[in-house]
Amino acid sequence: ETGVTQTPRHLVMGMTNKKSLKCEQHLGHNAMYWYKQSAKKPLELMFVYSLEERVENNSVPSRFSPECPNSSHLFLHLHTLQPEDSALYLCASSLRTEPSYEQYFGPGTRLTVT
Amino acid sequence: GQNIDQPTEMTATEGAIVQINCTYQTSGFNGLFWYQQHAGEAPTFLSYNVLDGLEEKGRFSSFLSRSKGYSYLLLKELQMKDSASYLCAVRDSNYQLIWGAGTKLIIKP
Repeated sequence: ETGVTQTPRHLVMGMTNKKSLKCEQHLGHNAMYWYKQSAKKPLELMFVYSLEERVENNSVPSRFSPECPNSSHLFLHLHTLQPEDSALYLCASSLRTEPSYEQYFGPGTRLTVT
Repeated sequence: GQNIDQPTEMTATEGAIVQINCTYQTSGFNGLFWYQQHAGEAPTFLSYNVLDGLEEKGRFSSFLSRSKGYSYLLLKELQMKDSASYLCAVRDSNYQLIWGAGTKLIIKP
């Protein structure tokens, strides 16, 4: 398999549930990202990992917890979410975090919180 | 604050040319990206500009003027498959990517 994959593609969860989103990249990249995409809003960067170390956490609520066990895998653990957290969650990777390197995105997980 | 402005939606005709504008106000500048995103799919990289001028890549071209805080994406010989959202993103002085909300382009036969 090539590129960036995400599972599941769709997820419906209640506010008291705990679930995890998974991202895997097969590109040999060293940086991975989690984004939130809501309708008609700019992409919101949530977390950045470079060489498995978190380098950015953009004031994201603690109900979102990232994990990067190695440079190919990235998880987003979810618990006690709110309905306003319903959105498309995109994972991306890049060779490095330096400015000129473009990001490659996965297809996203469409999350609905009920 | 930092801001990226793009039109929300544009409509064009198959075979024609369309220009999608992006203006930005950011703390510093380290390059500007354009991405294409079809409905329900991942954004895909189109272009990167860091110096002023026009970069041409097949039917797509991207222009940058750093002094004006302005870029545009030019799409020629439009095809129905070009119907998508086009995202503009600027990397600021802290190397953060600041994203626009995207321009939804509708192509009509």
